[in-house]
Formats: sequence, C-alpha cells, structure tokens
Amino acid sequence: DAKTTQPPSMDCAEGRAANLPCNHSTISGNEYVYWYRQIHSQGPQYIIHGLKNNETNEMASLIITEDRKSSTLILPHATLRDTAVYYCIVRAYNAGNMLTFGGGTRLMVKP
Amino acid sequence: NAGVMQNPRHLVRRRGQEARLRCSPMKGHSHVYWYRQLPEEGLKFMVYLQKENIIDESGMPKERFSAEFPKEGPSILRIQQVVRGDSAAYFCASSADRNNRPQHFGDGTRLSIL
Repeated sequence: DAKTTQPPSMDCAEGRAANLPCNHSTISGNEYVYWYRQIHSQGPQYIIHGLKNNETNEMASLIITEDRKSSTLILPHATLRDTAVYYCIVRAYNAGNMLTFGGGTRLMVKP
Repeated sequence: NAGVMQNPRHLVRRRGQEARLRCSPMKGHSHVYWYRQLPEEGLKFMVYLQKENIIDESGMPKERFSAEFPKEGPSILRIQQVVRGDSAAYFCASSADRNNRPQHFGDGTRLSIL
C-alpha cells in the first residue's frame, strides 16, 4: 500500500471548517483513500473513503486532487468533540487485509 | 447490536497467565481483523480472519499468540503465558467483504499485565 504523509498536529476554532491534508504521491490506480479518527484511545472511527471522485457524507467531505496524489478531509463545522487523531490511509481494492496506520494528524478544536 | 462488540473492556493478568479477548463482528460481517496499539504508539495489524479461516497472520507474533473465528460465536484472540510487553489495547474490526467496504472497529480491550 502507498505511504501517506500528514502534518502531526493542527488547531481549529470551534465552528470553523477543519481542513486536514494528506499526501499520497505514490498511490496506485486501484488504491482507495480512507479516513479514520481516534478519539482519546477509543476504537478508530470510520469517516469516509473515496477513489477519485469527491465524496460527502453526514460527517465530512473528502476532496481528492485530479492526479490523486493528495487529498483533504473537510469537517465543515468543527466542534470540541471533533478533537481527535485523524488517520489518512491508502488501501488497494480487494486487498482484503490490513489497514496501515501512520502517525496521523492530532486535531485540536479550540473554543 | 449495531457495532463491533469487544469484551472484556479491561483485562488484568499476571505474568504467565493466559488472556482471552473476544470480538463479535457487526451483523452481516464475516471478515474480522485484530490490531494492537501499544502505549503512545499507532495501531498495528495482527491478523485477518474470515469464518473458520486465517487469511493473513503476518502481524502476529510467532509465539504465544493465536486467533480463531469459529463458525458459531465470536472471534477469539488468545495470548498464552503473558509478559509485561503484552500490555496494550487490542482492537477488533469487521467488514462485510474484502474489497473497498470499510472496516468498523470496536472500542477495544485494555490488557494490563502485572
């Protein structure tokens, strides 16, 4: 699976949009981009995933660049409960096995 | 039962004892994954099982650790003769298939070795 690079930490003001970047410059054509978050040692929570088109669900939006070498997770109106470590993971379709967690981005939402 | 259920949530064992961690996947999911998170570290994959079969155990320590996912009942991660270094959070995830469907995680078992 391709490796991802994320900033180690970010701050965001409560109520503002949080934009979390991820670089995956070696991504292959059959690899999806997944985002998870882990809130204070709870189990990782699935947020969203995509292949090449932008995706949106009730939690977030995922913007993938046209060349697919980077993506951005957008939390449109961050709340204090969004404070967590966010992981960007690239995984091949039909990989059927592990998710490889890197260091992630520690997002701190401040009042 | 909407989510992945793990029990116990906390488990304390003395060195040399056995630890059994249980995981019930989400309804309709037949693929189970185990991960370990050591203190202040990221999650590391251990093993992937699909009903009665071990598909990938590349992340499992070679000794003392085993996993099963029987036809009936939860998946079990078993650690024999535990040592202090086994202290960690163990997370289970499940998915509906091996393709692009996401894995959904339980809240983990915190194992402490005295």
